[in-house]
Amino acid sequence: GENVEQHPSTLSVQEGDSAVIKCTYSDSASNYFPWYKQELGKRPQLIIDIRSNVGEKKDQRIAVTLNKTAKHFSLHITETQPEDSAVYFCAASKGRGNTPLVFGKGTRLSVIA
Amino acid sequence: DVKVTQSSRYLVKRTGEKVFLECVQDMDHENMFWYRQDPGLGLRLIYFSYDVKMKEKGDIPEGYSVSREKKERFSLILESASTNQTSMYLCASRTGGRAEAFFGQGTRLTVV
Repeated sequence: GENVEQHPSTLSVQEGDSAVIKCTYSDSASNYFPWYKQELGKRPQLIIDIRSNVGEKKDQRIAVTLNKTAKHFSLHITETQPEDSAVYFCAASKGRGNTPLVFGKGTRLSVIA
Repeated sequence: DVKVTQSSRYLVKRTGEKVFLECVQDMDHENMFWYRQDPGLGLRLIYFSYDVKMKEKGDIPEGYSVSREKKERFSLILESASTNQTSMYLCASRTGGRAEAFFGQGTRLTVV
């Protein structure tokens, strides 16, 4: 089955700097790659996703890139703010309706003011 | 607003008890999931269901079972709770394989 590796497990950045989190996946049939943010004590929520027919997607300060050949995708956060501090999870799934999301182990991002 | 609601936020149960965790979604989603979240291990899939009365094992099904009698409700059952099942349990639902998953608020279960 699918296996998703995520790095780093913890990341500290100064406010205003950029943060990059990287994930690799094993199943070449996967074609949907979402990123979830989980603030302390709250449920995970989708912040951005990418499908395999595009290589990059951007939403304000957040961007995701996908390299299908290398089977890796990355989350980029620019101009980080204290409210970006959270645990971020990457995930992968195939396009079939009944396939589950397989998650990475998470990255704890701390933005230092 | 999509709502996925778990019946309890916190639960404390004794070893050997049978435990029921309930999850209800109001978006008519076909697919529902139970994940377990532990520090450093991320979200691990226990079971999922793609239709009423249908279920599939995830990565860590041992010690758990599930029930889906109605489309909107997905229950996780710990047949005989053990201390190593102390964890945060998250329910999720979504329409299809390339769609957003919506999570419940989580149930923190402590088995003593």
